[in-house]
Amino acid sequence: GAVVSQHPSRVICKSGTSVKIECRSLDFQATTMFWYRQFPKQSLMLMATSNEGSKATYEQGVEKDKFLINHASLTLSTLTVTSAHPEDSSFYICSARVGTSGGYEQYFGPGTRLTVT
Amino acid sequence: QKEVEQDPGPLSVPEGAIVSLNCTYSNSAFQYFMWYRQYSRKGPELLMYTYSSGNKEDGRFTAQVDKSSKYISLFIRDSQPSDSATYLCAFLGGGDYKLSFGAGTTVTVRA
Repeated sequence: GAVVSQHPSRVICKSGTSVKIECRSLDFQATTMFWYRQFPKQSLMLMATSNEGSKATYEQGVEKDKFLINHASLTLSTLTVTSAHPEDSSFYICSARVGTSGGYEQYFGPGTRLTVT
Repeated sequence: QKEVEQDPGPLSVPEGAIVSLNCTYSNSAFQYFMWYRQYSRKGPELLMYTYSSGNKEDGRFTAQVDKSSKYISLFIRDSQPSDSATYLCAFLGGGDYKLSFGAGTTVTVRA
């Protein structure tokens, strides 16, 4: 299967600072990239969807000025959590979708655990 | 009624047993059916992907889709302790760009 990488895998930051998370599709070009958030023992919650060169589409309730998404190329998307607060502590997972002859396949990165102190 | 229903378990089986997981869905526009495996503190890993009714096999894994009953299943044969994880069903289709996930079933395979 296709590989999606995320960096960093874990980050601890102080309240009020900003954190950037990178997501790369390593061996394919992603038509669309997604950012999810997951709390312990819960399923994934979609935060936003982005296409290369376009503004991200945010899900209802997700603050676009707080969670900045940049989709610079077909293989790279970044999520910046601005002015992070302890309630932003969570597991952030990116995902990339690629078109295939059978439709679409979607692959996930390994996740980034953010802890805001 | 939720769009996707998946029993969260937990499910505990002895090593070597067959693990049976299933999801029901209500959106008849779903066209693509997926199963993901997620280990603790890791991102989901795509296990099986299909877009038609019937069975699909990949090693010890078999995915079944019954569109008429809106029911999908995943079977794991000869289960191993390394199969212990949370399994998520996911659906795509109907012009919606978002995956619809089940709640995930936590499976433990006892050695």
